[in-house]
Amino acid sequence: KNEVEQSPQNLTAQEGEFITINCSYSVGISALHWLQQHPGGGIVSLFMLSSGKKKHGRLIATINIQEKHSSLHITASHPRDSAVYICAVGRNTDKLIFGTGTRLQVFP
Amino acid sequence: KAGVTQTPRYLIKTRGQQVTLSCSPISGHRSVSWYQQTPGQGLQFLFEYFSETQRNKGNFPGRFSGRQFSNSRSEMNVSTLELGDSALYLCASSLGVRERYEQYFGPGTRLTVT
Repeated sequence: KNEVEQSPQNLTAQEGEFITINCSYSVGISALHWLQQHPGGGIVSLFMLSSGKKKHGRLIATINIQEKHSSLHITASHPRDSAVYICAVGRNTDKLIFGTGTRLQVFP
Repeated sequence: KAGVTQTPRYLIKTRGQQVTLSCSPISGHRSVSWYQQTPGQGLQFLFEYFSETQRNKGNFPGRFSGRQFSNSRSEMNVSTLELGDSALYLCASSLGVRERYEQYFGPGTRLTVT
């Protein structure tokens, strides 16, 4: 079993829909990261969080440390949100452990 | 500020050769981490450098090595290349140690080993 599990693996949506991507992990962590990777490979760090909730524009990330679970929400989705979303967890100085990613396609 | 830059962007090498990849972090950033991304294994952590010292290393063979210079620029080297080393190699920089600061990724170097 992978230490970081993401669901769903693939997701399609119509423009304007509310989207949720989930991440569950089995190890103790000090921080969780949400990353976005567009075709071509470039990666952007969306959030780094260790507790509670963070919001940036239409993106919201939440984490429940007790349940070892995080969610990434996208409100009013747009075709430019189409990308692979990757969850990664880290514990202090330990290496980051990555999920396998969720491929999101938003159609107009 | 300029972002993280990686050179070269694309590289084709033959089995048995060695390769050196370069990463220039954002000005003022002192930490550089390296990652390998393959279709089969996904993203995997290679190593992190902070103030010219390797802080930790992922589960990769000794053929993978790196270093960081006093200006925070970093290089990674892969010796005796194998077909399985074909991957996208990404570096990321952060202001301070990786676990406390957000990372900024470079565009990556796509290495093909034939």
